[in-house]
Amino acid sequence: SQQGEEDPQALSIQEGENATMNCSYKTSINNLQWYRQNSGRGLVHLILIRSNEREKHSGRLRVTLDTSKKSSSLLITASRAADTASYFCATDLSGNTGKLIFGQGTTLQVKP
Amino acid sequence: EAEVAQSPRYKITEKSQAVAFWCDPISGHATLYWYRQILGQGPELLVQFQDESVVDDSQLPKDRFSAERLKGVDSTLKIQPAELGDSAMYLCASSLSTVDSGNTIYFGEGSWLTVV
Repeated sequence: SQQGEEDPQALSIQEGENATMNCSYKTSINNLQWYRQNSGRGLVHLILIRSNEREKHSGRLRVTLDTSKKSSSLLITASRAADTASYFCATDLSGNTGKLIFGQGTTLQVKP
Repeated sequence: EAEVAQSPRYKITEKSQAVAFWCDPISGHATLYWYRQILGQGPELLVQFQDESVVDDSQLPKDRFSAERLKGVDSTLKIQPAELGDSAMYLCASSLSTVDSGNTIYFGEGSWLTVV
């Protein structure tokens, strides 16, 4: 079963623009992580935000977490063609054994 | 940089045949995961090991799937007999410990399975 739901399912922007992807989840979490997947490849970890954090930055990435709304967003600033990939949020449920549950993902296309 | 190794990268098999995938996690990683990813969807956890013990296999179709990590290092995922609906990418991943302590998961490149 999927816990996280990403929105939008697909996003197409021009190079240099910002890309925002949203993730909603259903139950309490320990932390939320964002991963990136290039077509046909494995997933690469981008950033982790804990349930007691509200915002986190890593290079051109900014992640926010609103536990009251059970939602998170991933912002990629000044996008590049190389950012073209699928992006997944994954949640670690409170009280769990560490099972990471992934959403369906957002497919981002950055046009040069 | 250490990587999670998986083989084979691609496998085509006929339905009702047996197929096996192998994974070697990053050295020192106690937790190992097998995920299945159908095209256009997110990964779904099949089985999670902590050292050689199964922690979670609630989504593993046990009538045809089996997984083992006998010495707590590398792992094998087997499907017998394969069905058309098993066509997917099988991803192995590992982490130092369980993710609830803030550990991140490192994925291999995946094994593509096509059942014909």
